[in-house]
Amino acid sequence: GAVVSQHPSWVICKSGTSVKIECRSLDFQATTMFWYRQFPKQSLMLMATSNEGSKATYEQGVEKDKFLINHASLTLSTLTVTSAHPEDSSFYICSAARTGAGNTQYFGPGTRLTVL
Amino acid sequence: QKEVEQNSGPLSVPEGAIASLNCTYSNSAFQYFMWYRQYSRKGPELLMYTYSSGNKEDGRFTAQLNKASQYVSLLIRDSQPSDSATYLCAIQGGYGGSQGNLIFGKGTKLSVKP
Repeated sequence: GAVVSQHPSWVICKSGTSVKIECRSLDFQATTMFWYRQFPKQSLMLMATSNEGSKATYEQGVEKDKFLINHASLTLSTLTVTSAHPEDSSFYICSAARTGAGNTQYFGPGTRLTVL
Repeated sequence: QKEVEQNSGPLSVPEGAIASLNCTYSNSAFQYFMWYRQYSRKGPELLMYTYSSGNKEDGRFTAQLNKASQYVSLLIRDSQPSDSATYLCAIQGGYGGSQGNLIFGKGTKLSVKP
């Protein structure tokens, strides 16, 4: 159990376009989902915390108008990178929190975004 | 001082040996401690979590938590080449509005040589 999927796994887009990434918890309900970004040889950096039915909470330095998060259901959260630029190229990973001891987070496989 | 620190490695061990990965943290208020394994270009996979000082075993993996000294380690017995990956220490706060957020170390790259 505790499987999280992401789609797409890999996307290339032109500068100025928008890209939507989906994160789904397949076999459990997740009230809270998290979005991370990971640059090469760096650790995961939390971008935002998404709670079902409410607005996302963004970490300092993350532009909420650029990274739109929608947590429409207990199994789906989406991240839209608007007007993407080459510096947005990164590995985007979501996680879904399963309630219980420590609110354990289970991670998706990640989405590699390349902006040309 | 960073909140969570790990030696980035690479740590190289021969097949069958014990690999020891260490992580220190700065805030004594942290409550939950996780070890994740991340293969290249993949999402992290939860290996173990612990919240009380002492050892916790799961198969070939042992998590050791010492809250007094503020470190947590992961031991991998009988290391296999398939264990070669980056191991991320993650700590979860239990304070204020960030409860539930994970703070990651930079990860230690482990290489198990056949």
